[in-house]
Amino acid sequence: GEDVEQSLFLSVREGDSSVINCTYTDSSSTYLYWYKQEPGAGLQLLTYIFSNMDMKQDQRLTVLLNKKDKHLSLRIADTQTGDSAIYFCAETANFGNEKLTFGTGTRLTIIP
Amino acid sequence: EPEVTQTPSHQVTQMGQEVILRCVPISNHLYFYWYRQILGQKVEFLVSFYNNEISEKSEIFDDQFSVERPDGSNFTLKIRSTKLEDSAMYFCASSGGQGATQPQHFGDGTRLSIL
Repeated sequence: GEDVEQSLFLSVREGDSSVINCTYTDSSSTYLYWYKQEPGAGLQLLTYIFSNMDMKQDQRLTVLLNKKDKHLSLRIADTQTGDSAIYFCAETANFGNEKLTFGTGTRLTIIP
Repeated sequence: EPEVTQTPSHQVTQMGQEVILRCVPISNHLYFYWYRQILGQKVEFLVSFYNNEISEKSEIFDDQFSVERPDGSNFTLKIRSTKLEDSAMYFCASSGGQGATQPQHFGDGTRLSIL
């Protein structure tokens, strides 16, 4: 079945860039997503990318997709304390209407 | 911005009791989902619902679970006879407006604690 993997922890100094990585196994993945979960809150959709794209930029967020290696990354420029959260990578074979398969989540800690 | 809302935020129930978790999806969405996250584990898909019927369910979603859309706004998850291992955070999500597909938007979750 599908599997999505992420490293569990990342610590970054305030003002630096954060890069959160994700690998997936399902070659039929069509859409890949990044969700953010702050303490006690739900899953907030940050951004998503279609599998025929290599890169997507949205303000401080840059998503890179290497479809050959099945590797997805999320870069957060100028990381702020408000970026502290758990970041989940997720994939689906169909845009929005089929189940999401989530990674383990990466806990991002900002060092002042 | 429209939101998915879930109630209650925390539910404590005795083992063996029935529990109903409630969700109000985004109003023009057509597809509805439940996921759960056991503490320290991945977010897992339970069930998807479209056009008043289940479109897909996981192995977790056994006969103890059921979903319902009792009216035009609510979407509920019922666990008939709760077990200790049902303790988890349960997330509702919705997607898909008229004439277009959209990513899934999640509520803040209901923390279910089984004693």
